[in-house]
Amino acid sequence: AQSVSQHNHHVILSEAASLELGCNYSYGGTVNLFWYVQYPGQHLQLLLKYFSGDPLVKGIKGFEAEFIKSKFSFNLRKPSVQWSDTAEYFCAVRSSNTGKLIFGQGTTLQVKP
Amino acid sequence: DVKVTQSSRYLVKRTGEKVFLECVQDMDHENMFWYRQDPGLGLRLIYFSYDVKMKEKGDIPEGYSVSREKKERFSLILESASTNQTSMYLCASGDRGYEQYFGPGTRLTVT
Repeated sequence: AQSVSQHNHHVILSEAASLELGCNYSYGGTVNLFWYVQYPGQHLQLLLKYFSGDPLVKGIKGFEAEFIKSKFSFNLRKPSVQWSDTAEYFCAVRSSNTGKLIFGQGTTLQVKP
Repeated sequence: DVKVTQSSRYLVKRTGEKVFLECVQDMDHENMFWYRQDPGLGLRLIYFSYDVKMKEKGDIPEGYSVSREKKERFSLILESASTNQTSMYLCASGDRGYEQYFGPGTRLTVT
């Protein structure tokens, strides 16, 4: 069965620290990859997505992610986090076969001012 | 901007009650989805619909049913609520571009 694994469940960083959240998926075919973010009390919203082309994808608010096909990974990065980045982050994979989005377990990021 | 609305932000129901969760989207999207969100489990797909009157089971359909009579509206039904259905329920809609737009969620407590 297809699955998505996020390695870090709870991350605590100080402002200006660099961030990398891991995401690995199990599906071997053509995939579309997403990172969603849920700020406290707000809707889940799209941070960035990868469909094809340049494996380094830039999203909103200074986030980027790199698709490494050989490692089945789509890690999220930000060079310098801010207190306002405190949120829950979800990696999601859509397989071309099923058309469904499979979400990871989520990573809670807490940024200390 | 895409807008997905859900009928209630918070809902408290008793075991055995029939529960209706309503979702409306205003972007004429063909696809609509119901998920539940639980700590440590992420989002799990309950049901989805690619068209009016069409529905497909997701990964955890047991204990749930859905209805889509109009393109903009997708309802989730708990025929007989149980305590293990206490959760956050998220509705989403999407077009052929595969991106999904989420509603604010309904936090359902079954006592």
